[in-house]
Amino acid sequence: DSGVTQTPKHLITATGQRVTLRCSPRSGDLSVYWYQQSLDQGLQFLIQYYNGEERAKGNILERFSAQQFPDLHSELNLSSLELGDSALYFCASSTRTGNYGYTFGSGTRLTVV
Amino acid sequence: GENVEQHPSTLSVQEGDSAVIKCTYSDSASNYFPWYKQELGKGPQLIIDIRSNVGEKKDQRIAVTLNKTAKHFSLHITETQPEDSAVYFCAASKGNQFYFGTGTSLTVIP
Repeated sequence: DSGVTQTPKHLITATGQRVTLRCSPRSGDLSVYWYQQSLDQGLQFLIQYYNGEERAKGNILERFSAQQFPDLHSELNLSSLELGDSALYFCASSTRTGNYGYTFGSGTRLTVV
Repeated sequence: GENVEQHPSTLSVQEGDSAVIKCTYSDSASNYFPWYKQELGKGPQLIIDIRSNVGEKKDQRIAVTLNKTAKHFSLHITETQPEDSAVYFCAASKGNQFYFGTGTSLTVIP
């Protein structure tokens, strides 16, 4: 157990729907990162939050959004889902922002049918 | 942005042999290079990292080397064991965002 908790582990939904993925960082970690892992794209950075504020944005689609709450948990919202959004979505956390290795959760596998 | 290339994509070695995975990066400003191991059904796990002010770092059977001039870094695993079988990812960073390589699937044959 890495200490980063992601729920749900698996999610199957239809095209056009909206889902919310949840992440609880390790105790004491202020930074939360979201990554998408697909077979053809590898690990792609989506977005980072630090202590409730957005810090960095990567290849995140406009249909996707995220937020970090006062208790530091984070949610990734995916809307108007398409078949191509099927992937593993990982959350990672770290104590601080910047160049420090972070800890990944076990991921949420999203399947859009 | 940064572009990280990783080779080989698959690697099979006999138990006890060494394994080497190589990565190149494009942005000379990148200064932090972590390596992650991902086992089936799990998230990536940090196994070793190196910063740009260091040329080599070792942790038991795992070592990483960095050549800033050539912009490449490598992971070396010695005395491989079946439990080393996994997908390995290199990454490069100069700030908050990690740019990952495409992964190397390592199989250690008993």
